[in-house]
Amino acid sequence: KAGVTQTPRYLIKTRGQQVTLSCSPISGHRSVSWYQQTPGQGLQFLFEYFSETQRNKGNFPGRFSGRQFSNSRSEMNVSTLELGDSALYLCASSHDLRETQYFGPGTRLLVL
Amino acid sequence: ELKVEQNPLFLSMQEGKNYTIYCNYSTTSDRLYWYRQDPGKSLESLFVLLSNGAVKQEGRLMASLDTKARLSTLHITAAVHDLSATYFCAVGENSGYALNFGKGTSLLVTP
Repeated sequence: KAGVTQTPRYLIKTRGQQVTLSCSPISGHRSVSWYQQTPGQGLQFLFEYFSETQRNKGNFPGRFSGRQFSNSRSEMNVSTLELGDSALYLCASSHDLRETQYFGPGTRLLVL
Repeated sequence: ELKVEQNPLFLSMQEGKNYTIYCNYSTTSDRLYWYRQDPGKSLESLFVLLSNGAVKQEGRLMASLDTKARLSTLHITAAVHDLSATYFCAVGENSGYALNFGKGTSLLVTP
């Protein structure tokens, strides 16, 4: 069974630009979550989607948004990039709440 | 707000020794996860603990959960170099879908 895939794996952007990251969950998984990992703040929850509905959002500004498609693939978008958005963005999928969440390889974003 | 505290944050141990990593959390939860992360890599799932008294073992690692004390432990038995990594505990919010992560324990196993 293929794991969670994320594209692109690496990205360099400049301040003020916007970026879209993509996540394909494990086949059959309908829950997709996004996390931001930085050395200073650690792992922080961004949002969670289930069957195209956002069920939970973390404490991030409105520049961070996401969506999920009918095939469970998910995208997250960050507009007006800031230097502090440089991070590893991780996507995780699971069948549902009380099951293992499997993480993808991440997208490493560098904002210059 | 659910807070998760791991300790120690850094651990250097000799091969063959035993040690325990602790994960305390601040509010009621019914699900706790342990993950491993190697440098530059993603998170690998180790254990999912869903009930009070749950104990799971895989190789040299054993995790347990005490929901009344809001405490989980990850015990390492007879450590080997391959266990060197950062270990995270993550606690699920009862009222939501987020996982709240501890800061991680950076483990180095030396000969």
